[in-house]
Amino acid sequence: DQQVKQNSPSLSVQEGRISILNCDYTNSMFDYFLWYKKYPAEGPTFLISISSIKDKNEDGRFTVFLNKSAKHLSLHIVPSQPGDSAVYFCATMDSNYQLIWGAGTKLIIKP
Amino acid sequence: DAGVIQSPRHEVTEMGQEVTLRCKPISGHNSLFWYRQTMMRGLELLIYFNNNVPIDDSGMPEDRFSAKMPNASFSTLKIQPSEPRDSAVYFCASSPGTGGVSGNTIYFGEGSWLTVV
Repeated sequence: DQQVKQNSPSLSVQEGRISILNCDYTNSMFDYFLWYKKYPAEGPTFLISISSIKDKNEDGRFTVFLNKSAKHLSLHIVPSQPGDSAVYFCATMDSNYQLIWGAGTKLIIKP
Repeated sequence: DAGVIQSPRHEVTEMGQEVTLRCKPISGHNSLFWYRQTMMRGLELLIYFNNNVPIDDSGMPEDRFSAKMPNASFSTLKIQPSEPRDSAVYFCASSPGTGGVSGNTIYFGEGSWLTVV
């Protein structure tokens, strides 16, 4: 049973618009969440994280929102740029350092 | 900061041969992770070390796989003998690893692309 779910395998967004990537988790004990971006033929690159003591974290064009009651987080990218086209992974970490990954969402930014 | 450094970047080997993948974590990081990525299973944790000690190797698929971390700046993942189904991208990652869960961002290397024919 998937503990971290990214239900959209792909998302297509017009350049300049907002991209919203969603992630749901099942275990309310998870307290730290990360977003990674991955280009083909490269390793995952850390993007932004959020601790459960916050409900929002912002870094430039990237903002992550956490709704603990709904066990839901989202990554907002605004404005979206062509270089943002990549696969985005939502992840959390359990007490044994296991990174629990979502399946990823492929973001395509259309010019 | 040099980041996590992996070698080789690409390797093609024949079935039955020994494969050794190498990793240099970010200096000062206490935790090191080996992941494998395949189309079928996505990104899987194979093993992780904390302060050079293997903590959890439950993800290591078989006895053919072994990992070592002789010091804080070097780790190897060895496959002997290799099989075609081992073909995948193997990522090494490191983390400051303060011991708590929150805030322990994991930084990945660029991966070693292994093809076993």
